[in-house]
Amino acid sequence: GAGVSQSPRYKVTKRGQDVALRCDPISGHVSLYWYRQALGQGPEFLTYFNYEAQQDKSGLPNDRFSAERPEGSISTLTIQRTEQRDSAMYRCASSFGRAADTQYFGPGTRLTVL
Amino acid sequence: DAKTTQPTSMDCAEGRAANLPCNHSTISGNEYVYWYRQIHSQGPQYIIHGLKNNETNEMASLIITEDRKSSTLILPHATLRDTAVYYCIVLNAGNNRKLIWGLGTSLAVNP
Repeated sequence: GAGVSQSPRYKVTKRGQDVALRCDPISGHVSLYWYRQALGQGPEFLTYFNYEAQQDKSGLPNDRFSAERPEGSISTLTIQRTEQRDSAMYRCASSFGRAADTQYFGPGTRLTVL
Repeated sequence: DAKTTQPTSMDCAEGRAANLPCNHSTISGNEYVYWYRQIHSQGPQYIIHGLKNNETNEMASLIITEDRKSSTLILPHATLRDTAVYYCIVLNAGNNRKLIWGLGTSLAVNP
């Protein structure tokens, strides 16, 4: 079946602009996770959802970052007033939502802020 | 969540077994050991996980010591396509499911 998909795959924006990154999880997956990955580093947790409820947003770096999953399926990560330090690969993962279950990752969105 | 320690890099000859170690000396009773890998800039790929028993699937074997303080991922017959960064992660089985990633081990499989 289809895996996790993310769009756009690449996004170039100017400093100060808002961006919205989309994640479409695997069908039937209850949990959805957002991570950010800098070059040469492992992914860094941002936030996660069970259904439409945001369970943990402790990894969001500041209030310019927000995420939503209004219908418990597709999720959008929004970054307002982007800064150059926001440039990174943004990765989404989904899972069935059981304890200690496997997270499956999408291809990521490469964000470049000029 | 318990932290993990892995060697920065390893080499392996093609066709040989690749044994990747991981230390997780502060692991608690309800924490699982997960292994993922990342090839180039692709998304992380799940490999295997375990709690206390050894596990095997079509990709790899996971050997967890009896005291659970360390584990080894075994790729039985490494190929060039196994060249990747391998991450060992300890995950709590409770509600906090965020994966905490270290720097992983960069495995180079050489012809």
